[in-house]
Amino acid sequence: QQPVQSPQAVILREGEDAVINCSSSKALYSVHWYRQKHGEAPVFLMILLKGGEQKGHDKISASFNEKKQQSSLYLTASQLSYSGTYFCGTDRGAAGNKLTFGGGTRVLVKP
Amino acid sequence: NAGVTQTPKFRILKIGQSMTLQCTQDMNHNYMYWYRQDPGMGLKLIYYSVGAGITDKGEVPNGYNVSRSTTEDFPLRLELAAPSQTSVYFCASEGQGAEQYFGPGTRLTVT
Repeated sequence: QQPVQSPQAVILREGEDAVINCSSSKALYSVHWYRQKHGEAPVFLMILLKGGEQKGHDKISASFNEKKQQSSLYLTASQLSYSGTYFCGTDRGAAGNKLTFGGGTRVLVKP
Repeated sequence: NAGVTQTPKFRILKIGQSMTLQCTQDMNHNYMYWYRQDPGMGLKLIYYSVGAGITDKGEVPNGYNVSRSTTEDFPLRLELAAPSQTSVYFCASEGQGAEQYFGPGTRLTVT
């Protein structure tokens, strides 16, 4: 079943913070985050594993609450380059790292 | 390294026609994936492969076939194209850290 992302869209001013949530109804082994700019391919941001620590990528970080089957992506001091659609992909631990992606969160950072 | 390459970039098919979408990676990755992305939506897994000679179905395999005769190539075959197959198709390969590298995509229209 597809994970649910919220919010569906967010508009930020440069320098503001935002949180994107990803929730699953099933137990998860890992959560993967990708960013896709308009007309381009998705680009990998980070993976959070069950039992792992919070990860960071520049001023973008994420956490994974295994008990709640939720992950959150934190955009801190947003930059114009952070604009795009963010997708979480969830993996239930079966062979092949088969990811089920959420519907995406559109982020627009304005000057 | 070229990474993951896909051809063609664009294609228009008539209903009932067939075609093969090509995908090649030069990173010696064992795991490869085919996704489709409908407008404004997330990615859905069509087929995946864990190595040469091994393929398996994803979430939406109907109307598609794959083969994996070499580590580098993972073509996707559409038989009897239907309007519901209008989409953007992404091929991806997986690195050692489970990060997926996506190709630039093929935009397919079936009319």
